Amino acid sequence: QSALTQPASVSGSPGQSITISCTGTSSDVGNYKYVSWYQQHPGKAPKVMIYDVNNRPSGVSNRFSGSKSGNTASLTISGLQGEDEADYYCSSYTSSSTLVFGGGTKLTVL
Amino acid sequence: QVQLQESGPGLVKPSETLSLTCTVSGVSISSHFWSWIRQPPGKGLEWIGYIYSSGSTNYNPSLKSRVTISVDTSKNQFSLKLNSVAAADTAVYYCARRGSSWYEGTHYFYYYMDVWGKGTTVTVSS
Repeated sequence: QSALTQPASVSGSPGQSITISCTGTSSDVGNYKYVSWYQQHPGKAPKVMIYDVNNRPSGVSNRFSGSKSGNTASLTISGLQGEDEADYYCSSYTSSSTLVFGGGTKLTVL
Repeated sequence: QVQLQESGPGLVKPSETLSLTCTVSGVSISSHFWSWIRQPPGKGLEWIGYIYSSGSTNYNPSLKSRVTISVDTSKNQFSLKLNSVAAADTAVYYCARRGSSWYEGTHYFYYYMDVWGKGTTVTVSS
């Protein structure tokens, strides 16, 4: 299985909104509502921010939202804050009953 | 609260077997799915596989020939074995639980990891 495709980096200023894309195929992102997004700060374990495309776990800020269109899922962070600076990974269930991650996107808050 | 702790050797020789254990506390290991994920230095996450408490497994196809995940319900632990390791297997290894919820007496499982261990670094080198 191939990793999902994410941009290597994105950046934004405090208060702005940014969107990170995650492109897969009809065997994963395109055919299932099981896309999740993780935030990872340096030296820390990942933390889930979005699951099932657009659901937020309890305790996650509503500044984080998710969507999907065709084979591409997206994570949007609004009202960007310094603490949002981190690596972000998407993940999807696949037709082989496995999971696959994206390559990761480094978010820089300018 | 639920906590996971990885343990095992931090250094493994090439061609040998990497063995890690994840100890679960705060919840019974039964009736849940448990995963292993790894992250090579400076690189992204790679899903290795998961196991249900009954012992049924799913593995990453690219690692399937070398991976075994097992569970020991009596010790509330699950384990990872990766054989014939090479330098490319050097990574931080995380154990994690798949998210789930109960609704009207039915246990539903999601395809995301809701609780993670802190990770353990394994280096493959002679």
